[in-house]
Amino acid sequence: GAGVSQSPSNKVTEKGKDVELRCDPISGHTALYWYRQSLGQGLEFLIYFQGNSAPDKSGLPSDRFSAERTGGSVSTLTIQRTQQEDSAVYLCASSLAAGGPYEQFFGPGTRLTVL
Amino acid sequence: AQRVTQPEKLLSVFKGAPVELKCNYSYSGSPELFWYVQYSRQRLQLLLRHISRESIKGFTADLNKGETSFHLKKPFAQEEDSAMYYCALVGGATNKLIFGTGTLLAVQP
Repeated sequence: GAGVSQSPSNKVTEKGKDVELRCDPISGHTALYWYRQSLGQGLEFLIYFQGNSAPDKSGLPSDRFSAERTGGSVSTLTIQRTQQEDSAVYLCASSLAAGGPYEQFFGPGTRLTVL
Repeated sequence: AQRVTQPEKLLSVFKGAPVELKCNYSYSGSPELFWYVQYSRQRLQLLLRHISRESIKGFTADLNKGETSFHLKKPFAQEEDSAMYYCALVGGATNKLIFGTGTLLAVQP
């Protein structure tokens, strides 16, 4: 079956603009995670969804970052008023559920470049 | 605090040589540890987890609670093992992954 997909694969934007990044998890996976991969910072957790609710938003770096998930499926990560330090690869992962031995499956990522 | 440390940014070995990628962690409780791998132009994927106690592609990793380590080992490196390797632990009930900064393994012919 299809794996996790993300769009766009690349996004170049100007400082101050808003961007939306999309994640389509594996069908039937109730848990969804966003991570950020940046030079010098490695891979950082951003937010976790169980169904449509986000019980853990502890990794969001500022209030410019928000995310939502609808229908227990697609998720959108929105960054408002982008800054150059937001440049990174944003990864989405999904798993059958949280907890237990469930493996997280990663998407290919969206490379965001803020000029 | 929950933390994963990978002290080597780059590890370069020759084909056929043994490989050990180091990983140390700090975690209050019983940790669940993983190794993830990212080959060139491919997505991040699970290599192995400590609870499975399995060998994948010739790699093994043993959890040493006394030394708080989870080093990844392979007796004879292959060129196709060249990739970025991340050690990670599961933090809390949400199953979020806490990653180390990664080690780039380069296997020379």
